[in-house]
Amino acid sequence: DGGITQSPKYLFRKEGQNVTLSCEQNLNHDAMYWYRQDPGQGLRLIYYSQIVNDFQKGDIAEGYSVSREKKESFPLTVTSAQKNPTAFYLCASSIGRGGSETQYFGPGTRLLVL
Amino acid sequence: GQSLEQPSEVTAVEGAIVQINCTYQTSGFYGLSWYQQHDGGAPTFLSYNGLDGLEEKGRFSSFLSRSDSYGYLLLQELQMKDSASYFCAVRDRSNDYKLSFGAGTTVTVRA
Repeated sequence: DGGITQSPKYLFRKEGQNVTLSCEQNLNHDAMYWYRQDPGQGLRLIYYSQIVNDFQKGDIAEGYSVSREKKESFPLTVTSAQKNPTAFYLCASSIGRGGSETQYFGPGTRLLVL
Repeated sequence: GQSLEQPSEVTAVEGAIVQINCTYQTSGFYGLSWYQQHDGGAPTFLSYNGLDGLEEKGRFSSFLSRSDSYGYLLLQELQMKDSASYFCAVRDRSNDYKLSFGAGTTVTVRA
């Protein structure tokens, strides 16, 4: 079955620690995205990538970093510079970044600060 | 930038019809999408409108009026499983075709 997987489901971060969230897709999609969702709010774009070895900042990129070394993988690192990291993080992919193209979402990672 | 407004909550009974409105402001509007998200789950795509008019997909339909910067999602024959959050999202050609999401409407279906 094709889809997007995210791990872990829950992640705990200590003060000053960097943590990495995994996102893998086997849909053969070119574009991948990372969103942050806070309670009662919509999704806000952190980073996106349209092709391997290329990515762009979204609306709230500060305190985050990404890499896109393989088409299937788009890991997100939450750095110690992100002062309020507690949120639900969603990874998504689409065939391209065209106007009508559907984004398919993974099950999400809930990040909590200890 | 982009801004979207949608009601925060709607409650209705099983079998009823619910309309969720979405108004948007964007400089390079390209299309309006709707996503459904059950509590704690992943958003799933419901519909897309690139042109004015009504798109019908079973119990869910979506409407767009570009001249009014307005759209809505119509949920018919409501079922308990339709209790979820519904997000409108606009794609903006002046913003690299990125999706911008509204804050979501929580629909609660009562027996």
